[in-house]
Amino acid sequence: DSGVTQTPKHLITATGQRVTLRCSPRSGDLSVYWYQQSLDQGLQFLIQYYNGEERAKGNILERFSAQQFPDLHSELNLSSLELGDSALYFCASSVEYSGIATQYFGPGTRLTVL
Amino acid sequence: KNQVEQSPQSLIILEGKNCTLQCNYTVSPFSNLRWYKQDTGRGPVSLTIMTFSENTKSNGRYTATLDADTKQSSLHITASQLSDSASYICVVSEGGNKLVFGAGTILRVKS
Repeated sequence: DSGVTQTPKHLITATGQRVTLRCSPRSGDLSVYWYQQSLDQGLQFLIQYYNGEERAKGNILERFSAQQFPDLHSELNLSSLELGDSALYFCASSVEYSGIATQYFGPGTRLTVL
Repeated sequence: KNQVEQSPQSLIILEGKNCTLQCNYTVSPFSNLRWYKQDTGRGPVSLTIMTFSENTKSNGRYTATLDADTKQSSLHITASQLSDSASYICVVSEGGNKLVFGAGTILRVKS
C-alpha cells in the first residue's frame, strides 16, 4: 500500500459524458501527478500540481482539467468523453517538487467509456 | 523527440535464473533515470532512481546501471522469483518533473 488513495476504483460511462476522478496523496506529500495508461501502452504524464499550483503539463487534452485543493487532494475532470479515453488513470504523489523526488502511485481508476 | 525505448518487449525465464532488461533513451536535458515495477492492474512501484553521476544502484535483487554517455541503462534481476513477474518500466526525467516513460518490458517468471 503506497498511501495514495484513488476513487472510484472503476467507472463506466458513456461517450459525451463528464467524470471526476479523485486522488488523496500520502500524508505530507505536496506534489500530485496524474497519468493515463491506455491498454497495452505506456504511462503518459498528464499534469502535476504542487501545493495547489500547476507545476508541469504533459500530454493533457483540452477536454481534461485538474486541480489541487487546499487539503492537497486532487481531482481530474474528464469531459466530452470519447471511446479512446478508456484507460487506467493513475495518481502519484511526492514530498518535493524537485525532479529527483520518488513518486508513490495510487491503485488507479479504471475508466471505461461505452 | 524525447524517447525511451525498452527491450525486449517481453521475456519468459525460469524461476531462479537471472535476466537483464535494457533501456535506451534520447531524452535531453537529462535529470535522472528511474526503473519501476508494475504488477498487472496496479500502480508502478519505484525500484531505483539514478542521476547522471551514478552508474549503478541496487535494491535487493535488482541492480540498475546507467551509462550517461551512451544513454543506456539496464536492470539486472538476480535469482528471479515468481513474484518478479510484472512489467518493468524505464522512466527518464527531463528535469522540472517532466517524465518520459518507456513502454515497459513484460517479464514472466515460470516454475
